[in-house]
Amino acid sequence: DTGVSQNPRHKITKRGQNVTFRCDPISEHNRLYWYRQTLGQGPEFLTYFQNEAQLEKSRLLSDRFSAERPKGSFSTLEIQRTEQGDSAMYLCASSFGPETQYFGPGTRLLVL
Amino acid sequence: AQRVTQPEKLLSVFKGAPVELKCNYSYSGSPELFWYVQYSRQRLQLLLRHISRESIKGFTADLNKGETSFHLKKPFAQEEDSAMYYCALTRGKGSYIPTFGRGTSLIVHP
Repeated sequence: DTGVSQNPRHKITKRGQNVTFRCDPISEHNRLYWYRQTLGQGPEFLTYFQNEAQLEKSRLLSDRFSAERPKGSFSTLEIQRTEQGDSAMYLCASSFGPETQYFGPGTRLLVL
Repeated sequence: AQRVTQPEKLLSVFKGAPVELKCNYSYSGSPELFWYVQYSRQRLQLLLRHISRESIKGFTADLNKGETSFHLKKPFAQEEDSAMYYCALTRGKGSYIPTFGRGTSLIVHP
């Protein structure tokens, strides 16, 4: 297990298109988190799952954003009708319970 | 709502000099404080947490509730300490969602 993985690593899309990102957590971790990081800022929490249940969502997560973790393993984050303001690095992290979160390399999204 | 402030975007020092990266927070409860680090081309990772009261890679941080600060310190900086450092806070009492500061870029010159 090489840690948390995210795909794709980079995504360029046109405004109005839908995009989907995938996160594969460390295998024994039951918690999975999504963050967004814009230039010059720290990561901002979007949502988190415990197993397959989505337990908390940030107000940053507008109705264009949806996240799933159907079998309690990998997770997907979909952004519908992308806007230029969605351009950011999207980070995934996983943990076993309340223990240390381990971050993935991120997916960098550019919306033209 | 909680807030984490890192007043310096950039801190530049010479090797062997002391380092202090500042972090101030606002939260009315009893938070847990963390420092995360991101080295060039690497992932964000936890450096230390205040409840552990440990020293990692020569870095220490003390929670000062009176001044609502959690500054990161190292007496003698090394070139390999050059990285982006983020201070973060959770609400404690089982809350696992960190609020991050904007980060401080530390550059250690030879």
